[in-house]
Amino acid sequence: EAGVTQFPSHSVIEKGQTVTLRCDPISGHDNLYWYRRVMGKEIKFLLHFVKESKQDESGMPNNRFLAERTGGTYSTLKVQPAELEDSGVYFCASSNTQGNTIYFGEGSWLTVV
Amino acid sequence: AQRVTQPEKLLSVFKGAPVELKCNYSYSGSPELFWYVQYSRQRLQLLLRHISRESIKGFTADLNKGETSFHLKKPFAQEEDSAMYYCALSGGTSYGKLTFGQGTILTVHP
Repeated sequence: EAGVTQFPSHSVIEKGQTVTLRCDPISGHDNLYWYRRVMGKEIKFLLHFVKESKQDESGMPNNRFLAERTGGTYSTLKVQPAELEDSGVYFCASSNTQGNTIYFGEGSWLTVV
Repeated sequence: AQRVTQPEKLLSVFKGAPVELKCNYSYSGSPELFWYVQYSRQRLQLLLRHISRESIKGFTADLNKGETSFHLKKPFAQEEDSAMYYCALSGGTSYGKLTFGQGTILTVHP
């Protein structure tokens, strides 16, 4: 069974540009989560999808971040325009309906210069 | 507000020595506590959860509500235990909405 996959694994962009991160959850997992860890800080929750619906987006830092999960399969997280403080690792995770174990992807490293 | 504190950023022990990674939390209700581990070049993965009361890879963790702690222990550390360890808390209805500590890098020397 394939795990949670994220793309790209690494991205370097200039301040003001746009980046889109993609997450493919484990097949059949309705729950999808985004987290991020910025330099020197702990891993923080961003948002939670149940299928295509945003269940909880309380962790989204500001309106430069837009997450979508059209069709309830893969999800994208767009940062537009990117700022220096957005640099970090963005993790995606998924779980099944019972939701008692979540599985993480390897993360997407974002560097904004 | 819920918070998880791991006071040690780095912890070094020798192979065969006991190891304890500390975790304290603050939460007003009844939390679910977890330990996650990230080995070098691997993804973050669940090590154990307090409700299971199980031992994984020789590690155990007991939830102490009086001290609001969930320390991770292993009596005899192995070199392959070297990794980043995160303590995490889930306080809502969703297991996936986790509050993480800053993590502790454990290095086990031969």
